[in-house]
Amino acid sequence: GAVVSQHPSRVICKSGTSVKIECRSLDFQATTMFWYRQFPKQSLMLMATSNEGSKATYEQGVEKDKFLINHASLTLSTLTVTSAHPEDSSFYICSARDDRDLHFGPGTRLTVT
Amino acid sequence: GNSVTQMEGPVTLSEEAFLTINCTYTATGYPSLFWYVQYPGEGLQLLLKATKADDKGSNKGFEATYRKETTSFHLEKGSVQVSDSAVYFCALIMNYGGSQGNLIFGKGTKLSVKP
Repeated sequence: GAVVSQHPSRVICKSGTSVKIECRSLDFQATTMFWYRQFPKQSLMLMATSNEGSKATYEQGVEKDKFLINHASLTLSTLTVTSAHPEDSSFYICSARDDRDLHFGPGTRLTVT
Repeated sequence: GNSVTQMEGPVTLSEEAFLTINCTYTATGYPSLFWYVQYPGEGLQLLLKATKADDKGSNKGFEATYRKETTSFHLEKGSVQVSDSAVYFCALIMNYGGSQGNLIFGKGTKLSVKP
C-alpha cells in the first residue's frame, strides 16, 4: 500500500531556531501534499496545501512566512518552522494524495523550549 | 459550509462490548465519508469509507453506513478489543476521485477499551 514517511518523528528545539520537517511519499508520486497541525485532544487543522513545483496555498490564519513549505519533487515536501516559539509546539502531520486516496504520515512531535 | 460533528469522548468500554460512535455531517451536495483511526503517538490511518448513499464501509470488524436521510455515518463494532483503543475521526470530502476538496475532520473521539 501507499506509504508516507515523516522525518524526524520527534524534535526538540530552542526558541528562536528553525526546524525542518520532511514528508515523503515512498512508493507513489504525489503532486499534492497537505500539512496539518494537531493540538492536544483536538482535531487536525489544515495548514496548507503543497503543490509540486509551485507555491503552497495557505489556510486562513496560517502565517506563510513562519511556516515555509517547499514541494521540490513529486515525493518530497518540507515544512520549515522559522523562529520557533513555545506556542508552535504541536503534532504536525502530512498527507499525500495518490490517484484517489489521501495517505497520512506518522506525524512529527515538535517541542519548542 | 461543510462540517462534521461526532460524539464527544472519551468513550470507555470493557473488552467485547458493543461500540457506537456517532457522526453526522453538513454538506452542500453529496460528500464521501470516512473514518480514520489514530493510535497513540501515530498518524492517521484510513479505517473505512463510503462514497455514496446507502454504501456500507467495513474493515477490521468496524462498519459504518452512509445514511443520506439522517446525514449520518455512525461507526459500529460488535465486540471491541483492547487493541482498538485509539482516537477515531469522522471526515468528509467533496468530489472524491475528481477535483477533490480538502478532508474536513470531526474533533475525534477517544476510545479506551479495558480488559
